[in-house]
Amino acid sequence: EAGVTQFPSHSVIEKGQTVTLRCDPISGHDNLYWYRRVMGKEIKFLLHFVKESKQDESGMPNNRFLAERTGGTYSTLKVQPAELEDSGVYFCASNKETYYEQYFGPGTRLTVT
Amino acid sequence: QKEVEQNSGPLSVPEGAIASLNCTYSDRGSQSFFWYRQYSGKSPELIMFIYSNGDKEDGRFTAQLNKASQYVSLLIRDSQPSDSATYLCAVAPLGDSWGKFQFGAGTQVVVTP
Repeated sequence: EAGVTQFPSHSVIEKGQTVTLRCDPISGHDNLYWYRRVMGKEIKFLLHFVKESKQDESGMPNNRFLAERTGGTYSTLKVQPAELEDSGVYFCASNKETYYEQYFGPGTRLTVT
Repeated sequence: QKEVEQNSGPLSVPEGAIASLNCTYSDRGSQSFFWYRQYSGKSPELIMFIYSNGDKEDGRFTAQLNKASQYVSLLIRDSQPSDSATYLCAVAPLGDSWGKFQFGAGTQVVVTP
């Protein structure tokens, strides 16, 4: 069974540009999560999809971040326009049932210069 | 006060010894507790989960949960150099935010031959 995949693995953009991160969850997993780890800090929750619906987006930092999960399969996280403080590693995770362990992807390292 | 707290380490452990990692959490209503291992530059990998008070053993790993004290720990027996990694404690709250894992900053473990 393929794990959670994320693309790209690394992205370097300039302040003010737009970046789109993609996450493909494990097949059959209705729950998809986005997290972010800023340098030196703990992993922080961004949002949670159940199929194509946003269950909880309380962790989204501001309206420069837009997450979508059309069709309930893969998800994208767009940052527009990017700021320096958006740099970090963005992780995606998925699981089949609530309360159960989440399986993490390898992350996308975003560097905003 | 942070929601989930861990000693950052590094925790230096001789090969073959027991590594003891601690985690405290602030939300008394938390229901599910997870330990992840993360090698540098890699995704968090689930080691164990525990839902009920007491001990849970899986191979060389033992998780201990005390909800009254809001404390969860991980013991690694017969530590191996391959156990050198950062160990993340994750807590799942109760209620509408059941998918919103709260992570500690992680404890770095270094197993010395």
